Amino acid sequence: DAKTTQPTSMDCAEGRAANLPCNHSTISGNEYVYWYRQIHSQGPQYIIHGLKNNETNEMASLIITEDRKSSTLILPHATLRDTAVYYCIFHAGGTSYGKLTFGQGTILTVHP
Amino acid sequence: NAGVTQTPKFRILKIGQSMTLQCTQDMNHNYMYWYRQDPGMGLKLIYYSVGAGITDKGEVPNGYNVSRSTTEDFPLRLELAAPSQTSVYFCASSSPIERKHGELFFGEGSRLTVL
Repeated sequence: DAKTTQPTSMDCAEGRAANLPCNHSTISGNEYVYWYRQIHSQGPQYIIHGLKNNETNEMASLIITEDRKSSTLILPHATLRDTAVYYCIFHAGGTSYGKLTFGQGTILTVHP
Repeated sequence: NAGVTQTPKFRILKIGQSMTLQCTQDMNHNYMYWYRQDPGMGLKLIYYSVGAGITDKGEVPNGYNVSRSTTEDFPLRLELAAPSQTSVYFCASSSPIERKHGELFFGEGSRLTVL
């Protein structure tokens, strides 16, 4: 899996959009971008994933640059419950199954 | 649906003792995984299974064993516990549909302390 670079920590005001960046300059063409979050030592929670196109679901939006060297996870209206560690992961699928490589992630703190 | 269920949630072991962490899922997922997470660190893969009767090593398998006799269950066995195995253990599962391989469902974790 490709190595990702994320900021160690970020702050966001409640009700505002949280934009979490991730750099992945060595990503391969067949590797998906996955985002997970982990709230206070609970089990990680899947958020969203994408390959080339931008993606949106009920939790977040994922913006992937055209050259695929970076991406941004957007939480459109952050709440206090979104305070968590957010992991950006690259994964090829296929015979890689669900063997994910977790880095240090970004600690997002949402404040009132 | 209960999802992925792990037991026990907490356990304290003495050095040299053995124990089994239980994991069961009710989503009919073929793929199951065991990860460990040390304080302040990301998760590391211990073992994984792509179906009943099939298991394989992950990044940090030493000191552990697994079995997969049914689709639902994937127990993790610790033999001769050592302080280095003090960690939080997470079991997870995912669908065999290729575009969902990386969409893992995690249990709540089992916190193990070896003294």
